[in-house]
Amino acid sequence: SQQGEEDPQALSIQEGENATMNCSYKTSINNLQWYRQNSGRGLVHLILIRSNEREKHSGRLRVTLDTSKKSSSLLITASRAADTASYFCALNGGGKLIFGQGTELSVKP
Amino acid sequence: DTAVSQTPKYLVTQMGNDKSIKCEQNLGHDTMYWYKQDSKKFLKIMFSYNNKELIINETVPNRFSPKSPDKAHLNLHINSLELGDSAVYFCASSPRGSGNTIYFGEGSWLTVV
Repeated sequence: SQQGEEDPQALSIQEGENATMNCSYKTSINNLQWYRQNSGRGLVHLILIRSNEREKHSGRLRVTLDTSKKSSSLLITASRAADTASYFCALNGGGKLIFGQGTELSVKP
Repeated sequence: DTAVSQTPKYLVTQMGNDKSIKCEQNLGHDTMYWYKQDSKKFLKIMFSYNNKELIINETVPNRFSPKSPDKAHLNLHINSLELGDSAVYFCASSPRGSGNTIYFGEGSWLTVV
């Protein structure tokens, strides 16, 4: 399958805790991207990591990429109720972006 | 100042009807897309246009026909709607050289009854 597989499918945590979501894939990629989708809204781009990068940060987000294991993780630190959303990894290889099925994150106040 | 706008946001229609969803982007991007998201949130690319030219056409029934009158617009026309077409349809765009970073519209919720 070309798409990324995300784990877990659903995650429920308390505000202030960290949330980690994982994405595994099988194909070669140029880059891997993470997107957020709030309920009833479109997807919003969070971060892009290139195949020659191992780690990127953006605010409370930290993304890692291990091309030898073909896996990536998204860490959200000090989560807030407003982080409640679905998070998708997307693989860029072969000229198009292929999305996984997402992790549904629920952050309880 | 909506970047990628699509209309209508909600559409309820009967089986067999023909409907269109319009999309416009004011970002100056060269590439536009249509994605379909099913009830399990699986997001699948349908079409991609680059400067009005079709570059990606996934396995989609012929009843779905995209039209790009100019690079800022990509409309989706669906003939003979079926129950299985019920989904959320997202229009999106991306700039050249962005590594395919995609900017999504807010979605069009299509319900076929």
